Amino acid sequence: SAVISQKPSRDICQRGTSLTIQCQVDSQVTMMFWYRQQPGQSLTLIATANQGSEATYESGFVIDKFPISRPNLTFSTLTVSNMSPEDSSIYLCSVEGGDMNTEAFFGQGTRLTVV
Amino acid sequence: QKEVEQDPGPLSVPEGAIVSLNCTYSNSAFQYFMWYRQYSRKGPELLMYTYSSGNKEDGRFTAQVDKSSKYISLFIRDSQPSDSATYLCAMGPGANSKLTFGKGITLSVRP
Repeated sequence: SAVISQKPSRDICQRGTSLTIQCQVDSQVTMMFWYRQQPGQSLTLIATANQGSEATYESGFVIDKFPISRPNLTFSTLTVSNMSPEDSSIYLCSVEGGDMNTEAFFGQGTRLTVV
Repeated sequence: QKEVEQDPGPLSVPEGAIVSLNCTYSNSAFQYFMWYRQYSRKGPELLMYTYSSGNKEDGRFTAQVDKSSKYISLFIRDSQPSDSATYLCAMGPGANSKLTFGKGITLSVRP
């Protein structure tokens, strides 16, 4: 399974500011995924990031709010822009792997609190 | 109806108990079924993975899939305090496809 390093692990931010979360994988992967995990809610996919192309966003998420970079096959960033308290959540980076490329592996997550 | 429904919990059991965690789903295209364990302040960790219907056993853990009923289960035998965590079911239709997750259930195993 891939080893995924995510940072920062947690942050407390002022409303109106932006935070960039980094995700580093120890092997080259085609697709990287960004999820949000709100308290009491299931993991919600924000977007899929492929190297060399624009990220694909899920319904309810837009590029202006959650810009994503994917400069190479082992790294991605997610920015949470113009934050409000409603953005307080855990943000998780994920890659697919396993024999059939159907299993998701996660970083440790970034716990964001917006005050 | 949500695509994936998971028993809400929380669930508290004594050490040594058999635990049964369940999810139902509505999308017949789902072929791959997973259970994740998430400790507090950690990312989800893949625990069990099953393709299509059937059972899979790994130590104290057994994953069961019944596609005809659209129902999956995770059984934990001889539960231990170290099993205390949130368990999430997840499923998907195929390779490189989006996974759909249940909300998760928090399990507490009392010594």
